[in-house]
Amino acid sequence: KQEVTQIPAALSVPEGENLVLNCSFTDSAIYNLQWFRQDPGKGLTSLLLIQSSQREQTSGRLNASLDKSSGRSTLYIAASQPGDSATYLCAVVGGAQKLVFGQGTRLTINP
Amino acid sequence: GAGVSQSPSNKVTEKGKDVELRCDPISGHTALYWYRQSLGQGLEFLIYFQGNSAPDKSGLPSDRFSAERTGGSVSTLTIQRTQQEDSAVYLCASSLDRVATNEKLFFGSGTQLSVL
Repeated sequence: KQEVTQIPAALSVPEGENLVLNCSFTDSAIYNLQWFRQDPGKGLTSLLLIQSSQREQTSGRLNASLDKSSGRSTLYIAASQPGDSATYLCAVVGGAQKLVFGQGTRLTINP
Repeated sequence: GAGVSQSPSNKVTEKGKDVELRCDPISGHTALYWYRQSLGQGLEFLIYFQGNSAPDKSGLPSDRFSAERTGGSVSTLTIQRTQQEDSAVYLCASSLDRVATNEKLFFGSGTQLSVL
């Protein structure tokens, strides 16, 4: 059974810092890995999708990497801003055609 | 509509009552998912619809839960004889095709269900 773990559970940093969120998964037989953002009381917004054959994806200040063999992904946020404060979730897609989610990292960027 | 729409946004019910939660996916999206997010918990998969195929119901927690998708579009999640442990945010999501084809998943804002 696929299990996804995110570390840390919560992170608080001052504005302007670069930061890394971590995601690990137990079964490397995945089709893709997705990073989402969730704001309080809202649904999830897709940030980046990395296909199993890819090593990384970039969107603006966000960069996600994937090391499928070791079961790890990182989300790098450059020059953090208060508007980046949210919960970040990673999810993997395996043969069962559904996303398995981690518990999320609650990020706070302090002005 | 432009995104996935869920209704109601909030539902308060008494223990033992039945509730229906509605999801309108993005037009043309063939895949539709229901997830549940309990306080302090991760997202729990409930059910998956793909086109005209039989749904994957493997995540439904008990036979009190059921869902249908009419005409390949709107979906309704029904919870019978609600219990307090059913209190959670119920999230619906849709994608253009199977997520294994690297299609992104788009989520609605969810229905907050409170069972008193």
